[in-house]
Amino acid sequence: GNSVTQMEGPVTLSEEAFLTINCTYTATGYPSLFWYVQYPGEGLQLLLKATKADDKGSNKGFEATYRKETTSFHLEKGSVQVSDSAVYFCALSWGNQFYFGTGTSLTVIP
Amino acid sequence: DTGVSQNPRHKITKRGQNVTFRCDPISEHNRLYWYRQTLGQGPEFLTYFQNEAQLEKSRLLSDRFSAERPKGSFSTLEIQRTEQGDSAMYLCASGRGSGGANVLTFGAGSRLTVL
Repeated sequence: GNSVTQMEGPVTLSEEAFLTINCTYTATGYPSLFWYVQYPGEGLQLLLKATKADDKGSNKGFEATYRKETTSFHLEKGSVQVSDSAVYFCALSWGNQFYFGTGTSLTVIP
Repeated sequence: DTGVSQNPRHKITKRGQNVTFRCDPISEHNRLYWYRQTLGQGPEFLTYFQNEAQLEKSRLLSDRFSAERPKGSFSTLEIQRTEQGDSAMYLCASGRGSGGANVLTFGAGSRLTVL
């Protein structure tokens, strides 16, 4: 079946630190991969996506590369800000169906 | 583009009562999804529509749950005889296209508290 596993949180970082949130997936075919972000009191927002192997999605300084050989889509940012504090969800889509990870809570302290 | 709108944002009800949530998707989107999210978890799929047709339902959607999307526009999710275990955030999302083009846009959610 299709599923997503992401690293458990919570993650606490100081401002300007490097961020990595690990995500691996299991899929029956070649899915599209996404990172969504959820700020407190808000709905999930698309952060970035990649639709095929070796694609790199990027947005707002965040990056993730679709690695077919390791079935991974790790989220990275070189220098986090307090405003990046949120919950991050890795997801895959196959057909018209979406599968989400359990989320990783990030807190960035000044 | 006014985004995906969900109402009410928060509903508090007593066990055994019925509740209904409404979702207004982005008008150009032909797909509409309902998810349930509990604390510390990711969204769990409940059901989805393509236009007015309900194409898939999760096993999470017991007989007490029903969803409709008349005329392929807004959608309602009704929960009958609510139980405390139904307390959760109910998320609506809409999308269009296929594969990587089918990006979901989420509403802010409707939080249900069953006392």
